[in-house]
Amino acid sequence: SQQGEEDPQALSIQEGENATMNCSYKTSINNLQWYRQNSGRGLVHLILIRSNEREKHSGRLRVTLDTSKKSSSLLITASRAADTASYFCATDDYNDYKLSFGAGTTVTVRA
Amino acid sequence: DGGITQSPKYLFRKEGQNVTLSCEQNLNHDAMYWYRQDPGQGLRLIYYSQIVNDFQKGDIAEGYSVSREKKESFPLTVTSAQKNPTAFYLCASMPGGSYNEQFFGPGTRLTVL
Repeated sequence: SQQGEEDPQALSIQEGENATMNCSYKTSINNLQWYRQNSGRGLVHLILIRSNEREKHSGRLRVTLDTSKKSSSLLITASRAADTASYFCATDDYNDYKLSFGAGTTVTVRA
Repeated sequence: DGGITQSPKYLFRKEGQNVTLSCEQNLNHDAMYWYRQDPGQGLRLIYYSQIVNDFQKGDIAEGYSVSREKKESFPLTVTSAQKNPTAFYLCASMPGGSYNEQFFGPGTRLTVL
């Protein structure tokens, strides 16, 4: 079953602008992860944030987690054409090693 | 080079035929996963295995079967019982013991003619 839901479904921005997407989930989690998928390819892991963390940075990526609202956000700063991809959040619970993925946000960066 | 490979990249099958998708990893990961992705949608878990000779059904296991006879291999068979098999199939692996990122293969696109 899909736990996470990303918002918006699609996003179009100009190169150099920031892109923000959100993920909401339903039940308590252990970790939340963000992945990127270029068209027709496998997923690439971007960042993992644990349930006891509130914010995490990796290069141009900033992830926040609010467990009280059951939501996370991914911010990509100073976007580039190469950031054009679909972005998925994925959550896991404490009981097993399965991930539940959302439907994703498709980001298009215009030159 | 360490990684996870899937073959073939594209696969065509006639209705009523079984087909097996290959997934191999040389990362020495304990856990392996199979996902199905339909256009514009997220990933849905078909089967997963946390250790050799053991596997569990995911959310959409009907019409699929797997085996895990070797640590590095986790083939997926799409049987004729799967009513709508045309999709993009992704295999992933993960180190065992604690929760980490999953490493994905490049995917196999299956089309039923």
